[in-house]
Amino acid sequence: AQSVTQLGSHVSVSEGALVLLRCNYSSSVPPYLFWYVQYPNQGLQLLLKYTSAATLVKGINGFEAEFKKSETSFHLTKPSAHMSDAAEYFCAVSEGRNYGGSQGNLIFGKGTKLSVKP
Amino acid sequence: EAGVAQSPRYKIIEKRQSVAFWCNPISGHATLYWYQQILGQGPKLLIQFQNNGVVDDSQLPKDRFSAERLKGVDSTLKIQPAKLEDSAVYLCASSPMTQLVSTDTQYFGPGTRLTVL
Repeated sequence: AQSVTQLGSHVSVSEGALVLLRCNYSSSVPPYLFWYVQYPNQGLQLLLKYTSAATLVKGINGFEAEFKKSETSFHLTKPSAHMSDAAEYFCAVSEGRNYGGSQGNLIFGKGTKLSVKP
Repeated sequence: EAGVAQSPRYKIIEKRQSVAFWCNPISGHATLYWYQQILGQGPKLLIQFQNNGVVDDSQLPKDRFSAERLKGVDSTLKIQPAKLEDSAVYLCASSPMTQLVSTDTQYFGPGTRLTVL
C-alpha cells in the first residue's frame, strides 16, 4: 500500500532563507510523486510532479524537488523564501496505471504549513 | 480557461440533515474526483469518475454518501444524514486523463467547507 510521510507539520523560515520541506513515500511499485500548494480558502495547485523522467524536477515559483529512490524521498526546496510562499504544502503519491483498481488516485501526506518571517 | 467550479463555498447544517455539493469540472476533462479534507489532514479520495462511470468508490461511506455524474460533465455529492465527523472541506478535482495514465495533473476547485453542528 502506498503512503506519504511529511516530516514537520509546521516549518518557519526567514524571508530569503532556504526552504526545505520533507517528504518520504512508501510504494511497492515505481511511483509518481507530486507537490501541491494550498493557499487559505483555496483549492490545491500543482507545484511540480515526478513522472520517472529526470530525477530533479523544477516547478513553478522557483520550487524544485529531487527524487531519490534509495532514500524513498522527494523533498521540496526553494533557495530563497518569499513572503508569498506562506501556505500549506502537500506531497502526494500515485502508483500509476491501473494498480489494484487505482487509476491515478493520489494519496496525500498530512501537509506542512510554511510560515515566512520578514 | 475556466477552472473547476464548486458551490456552495460554505455550508452549515445540523446533524442528521442532508446536504448536496455541486462541481463543474474543466471543460473536456474526462476524469472527476471528490476528496474529503478534514482539518489538519491531507485530502482523501472519496470517489473517482471516468466520464459518467464510477472508477473507484472504495472509500466512500455508501450508507450516507452518494455521488453522481449523469452526463459525464458536472457532478453532485450528497450526504444524508450528516454526522458531526463529516465536518470537512470537500474538494472536487478534474483531469484530462482519458487513457488511464496517472501522470495527468489534477486541477482542484476551491472546495466547499461543511460544518455539521
